[in-house]
Amino acid sequence: EIVLTQSPATLSLSPGERATLSCRASQSVSSYLAWYQQKPGQVPRLLIYDASNRATGTPARFSGSGSGTDFTLTISSLESEDSAVYYCQHRDKWPPGATFGGGTKVEIK
Amino acid sequence: QVQLEESGGGVVQPGRSLTLSCAASGFTFSNFGMHWVRQAPGKGLEWVAVVSNDGNTKYYADSVKGRFTISRDNSWNTLHLQMNGLRAADTAVYYCTREGRAFGELFSAWFDPWGQGTRVTVSS
Repeated sequence: EIVLTQSPATLSLSPGERATLSCRASQSVSSYLAWYQQKPGQVPRLLIYDASNRATGTPARFSGSGSGTDFTLTISSLESEDSAVYYCQHRDKWPPGATFGGGTKVEIK
Repeated sequence: QVQLEESGGGVVQPGRSLTLSCAASGFTFSNFGMHWVRQAPGKGLEWVAVVSNDGNTKYYADSVKGRFTISRDNSWNTLHLQMNGLRAADTAVYYCTREGRAFGELFSAWFDPWGQGTRVTVSS
């Protein structure tokens, strides 16, 4: 079973700063890695799929990179609306189940 | 537009059963694998179960295997999750979500969109 470990658990930054979120897989997941944003009381929203592709509606300040076991979600210039928990997620062809990382909470000072 | 709407949540005693439903619209339901994902209060996301587009393949998280059953009715564009032997640890918001691409297209590892969720509370 693949385990996804996200770090840091919490990130506290000021508007305009760069945020770098990490997701590490216990074994290679190729590029089958997605990122979601969940604001308080809201539904998870897909941001990035296949490690580096922005989903429809994802602002350009969000970018994803990596392959294999190490992945990064970067927010180039934080805005107040980016305050949320960010989850990485993996799923493979077989078994067809999915795995989520524990999440990184981004706080805007 | 593509929409998923869950229903059926509520408060239930430990050991009892509950069935959740998810009504899909805005897309060809029978072309997509569907999943349930849950989120316990104050916790992260936990994948629960998947059913293939044709309903023939089902797979479960170890935490629910043998107690939960996922199914779908492609005639009614509806996804179900029958939950038996409920435990306090099953207390969560349950989301239904769709695979990113249709069956027959390139494999999609992601989920989009998500329903609004339905809350299940297991308590005596």
